[in-house]
This record gives sequence, structure tokens and C-alpha cells, in this order.
Amino acid sequence: GAVVSQHPSRVICKSGTSVKIECRSLDFQATTMFWYRQFPKQSLMLMATSNEGSKATYEQGVEKDKFLINHASLTLSTLTVTSAHPEDSSFYICSASPASGNNEQFFGPGTRLTVL
Amino acid sequence: RKEVEQDPGPFNVPEGATVAFNCTYSNSASQSFFWYRQDCRKEPKLLMSVYSSGNEDGRFTAQLNRASQYISLLIRDSKLSDSATYLCAVNLLTDSWGKFQFGAGTQVVVTP
Repeated sequence: GAVVSQHPSRVICKSGTSVKIECRSLDFQATTMFWYRQFPKQSLMLMATSNEGSKATYEQGVEKDKFLINHASLTLSTLTVTSAHPEDSSFYICSASPASGNNEQFFGPGTRLTVL
Repeated sequence: RKEVEQDPGPFNVPEGATVAFNCTYSNSASQSFFWYRQDCRKEPKLLMSVYSSGNEDGRFTAQLNRASQYISLLIRDSKLSDSATYLCAVNLLTDSWGKFQFGAGTQVVVTP
């Protein structure tokens, strides 16, 4: 399957700071990437769809000014959690679909964010 | 009602036994379906796509029932390493982005 990397894998930060998470497609180009959040024992919740060269599309209830998404190239999307608070602590996962596939999504290894 | 629903389990399965579980979806316009496996504190990994005719990959068999709007996953000859949470994903394909709706997952615990 296609390979998606994510960095960092784990981050601990103080309340009020901003955290940037990178998502890269390593062996394919991705015009669209997806950002999810998963709380313990809950399902993946789609936060936003990241589109290369245009603005991200956010799901209802997700603040676009708090979760900044930049899809600067066909292999890189970044999610910045601005002014993080303890309730933002979660598992953030990105995914991407190769254009040549069957629309299946391949996930990065995730970033575990802990805000103190 | 949730768009995609799964029995959370856990399904406790003796090693070597067969286990099967379903995932129901509410939107009849759903067009593609997948099963993912997620281990604790890890990302989901694609297990298999689900085709209209049903498909098999080794010990795993996936079926789609469009009339009743559910997909199923059957695991034969369960191994201890099959213990995981199995997520179903449904893709509406109503836009070019192909957003997924995920179920909350079914936990499978294979015991010796």
C-alpha cells in the first residue's frame, strides 16, 4: 500500500502554545489529504479536507482559525493547532488517497498531542 | 442515528474459531466500502476493500449487502494476532474528495 508519514509522532506542550503537525505522502502525489482526530475509545472524526493549492474545507464544528491547514505541495499538508488547550489533547491522524487507487485512504502513523 | 454503525463488541473468540460482524450504513448513495484494522494507540491500516460481489483475502471475507445497507467481515481460523479493533469506512463519492465516514469500530479479542 501507499506510504504516508507524519511528524512528530508525539508532542507535549504547554497550554497556549501552537503545534504544527506534518503529513507527507512518500511514494505518491496527493491533491487531497484528510485530517482526523480520535479521542480514546471513540471513532475517527474528520476535521477537514486539505486541498493542494486551495483552502481547506472544514467539517461542522471545527474552528478553521484554531486548526490551520496548509497544503503547500502535492506531498505535504500541515495542521497547526493554535493556542492549544488541554481539551485539544488527542490523537491526530492524516490520510491520503493515491489517484490511481480505488479511493481507499492510507493513514499516517498519527500524532499524539498532550497539552498540559 | 449515526451514519455508520458497528457493534462495539468485544467479540471474544477462541483461537481457531470463526467470527463475523457487520457494519450498517444509512446513506443509500454510498459507493465504496472498506474494512480497516486499528491496533491500540496506532493508526488504522487498510485490511480490504469491499466489492459488490464480495471478496476474500486469505482468512478474511468481506461482503456487501446493498439492499439491507450493510457490509460484513468474517475472519476464519482466528489467530491471536487478529485481536484488534475493526473499523468500517463508507465513501459517498459525492464530491471529488471522497470523504469517508467511519464506524466506531468492533473490538475482537482472540483468546488462546
